[in-house]
Amino acid sequence: EPEVTQTPSHQVTQMGQEVILRCVPISNHLYFYWYRQILGQKVEFLVSFYNNEISEKSEIFDDQFSVERPDGSNFTLKIRSTKLEDSAMYFCASKVAAAQPQHFGDGTRLSIL
Amino acid sequence: EDKVVQSPLSLVVHEGDTVTLNCSYEVTNFRSLLWYKQEKKAPTFLFMLTSSGIEKKSGRLSSILDKKELFSILNITATQTGDSAVYLCAVALTTSGTYKYIFGTGTRLKVLA
Repeated sequence: EPEVTQTPSHQVTQMGQEVILRCVPISNHLYFYWYRQILGQKVEFLVSFYNNEISEKSEIFDDQFSVERPDGSNFTLKIRSTKLEDSAMYFCASKVAAAQPQHFGDGTRLSIL
Repeated sequence: EDKVVQSPLSLVVHEGDTVTLNCSYEVTNFRSLLWYKQEKKAPTFLFMLTSSGIEKKSGRLSSILDKKELFSILNITATQTGDSAVYLCAVALTTSGTYKYIFGTGTRLKVLA
């Protein structure tokens, strides 16, 4: 069964550094999402992306965050200048059509020191 | 403010027991309610419910939605240790024509042998 794949599985970065989290959505999917889950807390929506542009973003997704689909397969989340509170698990999800369920990747655990 | 509330927060049962997990919601522009199972990593999709009163079933798991009372339940019969996980409820809603997902905090289920 096709899967959403995310790399790396764990990223450790110094505060203030830039990080790029990578996702390869399922190949025929058209809608892409990033979520974060701080340890012990709920899954929080960050951003949705469709037709090469952001469709919706949450208040968490401030100017430090950006997303890109640089080619036909990758979907990336960049955090420009990381803060301690960015430490979390980041999940990528994709879906084939608007009304269909999302499928999640295994996540990237981001640890900011 | 849109919100999704799950109960109980955690539950410990013995193998063979039946459990019922609850999810209530208050959102504008409701589209569907989804259940996911989260073990170590990615939430894996279980059910998507859009209509009231129609039970969705997969093996020992079943779920139903009540759009009048704004809640859903997830039932697991004859529980097994492999059912131990966090069960997430998410509600899909539309804002300006795009889908957005609000997650509950999850119910942590532990099934003892």
